[in-house]
Amino acid sequence: DTGVSQDPRHKITKRGQNVTFRCDPISEHNRLYWYRQTLGQGPEFLTYFQNEAQLEKSRLLSDRFSAERPKGSFSTLEIQRTEQGDSAMYLCASSSPLGEKYEQYFGPGTRLTVT
Amino acid sequence: AQSVAQPEDQVNVAEGNPLTVKCTYSVSGNPYLFWYVQYPNRGLQFLLKYITGDNLVKGSYGFEAEFNKSQTSFHLKKPSALVSDSALYFCAVRDLNTGNQFYFGTGTSLTVIP
Repeated sequence: DTGVSQDPRHKITKRGQNVTFRCDPISEHNRLYWYRQTLGQGPEFLTYFQNEAQLEKSRLLSDRFSAERPKGSFSTLEIQRTEQGDSAMYLCASSSPLGEKYEQYFGPGTRLTVT
Repeated sequence: AQSVAQPEDQVNVAEGNPLTVKCTYSVSGNPYLFWYVQYPNRGLQFLLKYITGDNLVKGSYGFEAEFNKSQTSFHLKKPSALVSDSALYFCAVRDLNTGNQFYFGTGTSLTVIP
């Protein structure tokens, strides 16, 4: 399977705990995006990487959220001190090196439930 | 500000009839426009895009969309709906003037009735 993969698919955590999600993009894609999707809403942009550089970050992104892409391949998204409002589906997407014109390919998402 | 509007939360259509899912956008510059479909428990799947050129673009599964600059719309269409088209559809836009962010609409749930 050469698509975007995400791990885990589901995560249940208690409020105040830290969680980390992983995304493996399509191998030749150098652009990687993280989104958050809540019920009844479309994906909301969180952050964007080109290779290992984090080039854009949503102003709505709390400082409890951090993302890395250390070698320009897989990426991790960490949420510290989780809150119930963090419960959502976290989506990862990647696009080709000619990313301006190219569609994003999405992974299946990680569903986070904070209790 | 950049935004995408999908005015209909729900669209119902009889199998075999034409379908339209509406999308309007607001960007400061030239838009790149996309349609994605989401099936239950599945990730978003790319359907089609408008970058430049012919205003009518064709995509996967027989879908097409028409870019209308004057109406700032990018409605998704299909001549004959299938029951298997029932899913959640999202319109998205990227404004070249504001970086790499993609803005998604809130989605339209399409139900094709047998």
